[in-house]
Amino acid sequence: AQSVTQLGSHVSVSEGALVLLRCNYSSSVPPYLFWYVQYPNQGLQLLLKYTSAATLVKGINGFEAEFKKSETSFHLTKPSAHMSDAAEYFCAVSSNSGYALNFGKGTSLLVTP
Amino acid sequence: EAQVTQNPRYLITVTGKKLTVTCSQNMNHEYMSWYRQDPGLGLRQIYYSMNVEVTDKGDVPEGYKVSRKEKRNFPLILESPSPNQTSLYFCASRSYSGANVLTFGAGSRLTVL
Repeated sequence: AQSVTQLGSHVSVSEGALVLLRCNYSSSVPPYLFWYVQYPNQGLQLLLKYTSAATLVKGINGFEAEFKKSETSFHLTKPSAHMSDAAEYFCAVSSNSGYALNFGKGTSLLVTP
Repeated sequence: EAQVTQNPRYLITVTGKKLTVTCSQNMNHEYMSWYRQDPGLGLRQIYYSMNVEVTDKGDVPEGYKVSRKEKRNFPLILESPSPNQTSLYFCASRSYSGANVLTFGAGSRLTVL
């Protein structure tokens, strides 16, 4: 079954520092991969998605992710963290059916002044 | 505005008292789904619906029921809630065109005493 593993349930960075949130996937077929963000007391919002068109995917709010098949990874990065980036981030992969998404357990990003 | 609307957003109830969480989408999406989010476990799918009158179990369906009588609505029913169903619930929908992008509601926080 398609699955993702997010490394690190909590990540803390200083404002202005690089953000790196790790996600590794397991998939028997070429995957569709996603990053979602959840701000406090809100639903999940799509940050970016990989659908095999390009390995480097740019999303909203300055985030991007690179699909690396050799490493089965889809890590999320942002060059310079803002206080407003503090949120929960979820990596997800399309399920076998192609309709549902299988989510990782989430990474909580804390940005300190 | 295209959106998924859930109600209620917050609910405290007691064990055994039947409740329904409503979900409605205005995007004419065929696919709808319910997830629950628990700390350290990420999002897990409860039930999903491929279209009107077509529903199926997700990963954690025990204790829940759903129905899909109209395309826009997909209520989640807890016939006899128990404390282990205390959770944050999300409804999501998607169209069959496009790259499997789910649109999420804002969430319903349920507490069962």
